[in-house]
Amino acid sequence: AQRVTQPEKLLSVFKGAPVELKCNYSYSGSPELFWYVQYSRQRLQLLLRHISRESIKGFTADLNKGETSFHLKKPFAQEEDSAMYYCAQNYTGANSKLTFGKGITLSVRP
Amino acid sequence: GAGVSQTPSNKVTEKGKYVELRCDPISGHTALYWYRQSLGQGPEFLIYFQGTGAADDSGLPNDRFFAVRPEGSVSTLKIQRTERGDSAVYLCASSLKFGGFAEQYFGPGTRLTVT
Repeated sequence: AQRVTQPEKLLSVFKGAPVELKCNYSYSGSPELFWYVQYSRQRLQLLLRHISRESIKGFTADLNKGETSFHLKKPFAQEEDSAMYYCAQNYTGANSKLTFGKGITLSVRP
Repeated sequence: GAGVSQTPSNKVTEKGKYVELRCDPISGHTALYWYRQSLGQGPEFLIYFQGTGAADDSGLPNDRFFAVRPEGSVSTLKIQRTERGDSAVYLCASSLKFGGFAEQYFGPGTRLTVT
């Protein structure tokens, strides 16, 4: 079965500090990896996906197949980054159902 | 444009009762997904539809749960004989197409509390 692990529940940093949110996935064929974000009182939304290799709001994530990891990084955190972050995986070539990790709360203090 | 909408936003029911949760996907989206999010957990897949048919219902926990999408648009998740363990936020998502990657757009969720 697919499994996505986010080992930490909470990360609290000061504004301007670097951020790394960890995610490990269970290897199964050719997975697609995503990061979803939920800001306070808003709905869950896609932040980025590994295939697009883009930077969104200063965040990047690199797929490391050797370590089966997809950590989310940002060099300088902003207060508006405070939110709940979920790592998710799906199978390529199959249906698009997502398997989510438990999520991590990022708190950026002024 | 309008996003995915879900009604009701909150539902409190007594153990043993029947509930229906509604999802209105984004117009034109052919794929529709239901997820359940329990406290402290990430969303867990329940079922998805391609058009009117349930293409994968492997995430439904038991036969008390059932979902329909009769006209390929609005979907209803139905829970019979509710139990306290069914308390969770039920999320609906829709996407423009099925297969490959099509971004899933999530609704605000329905918070179900079974007392």
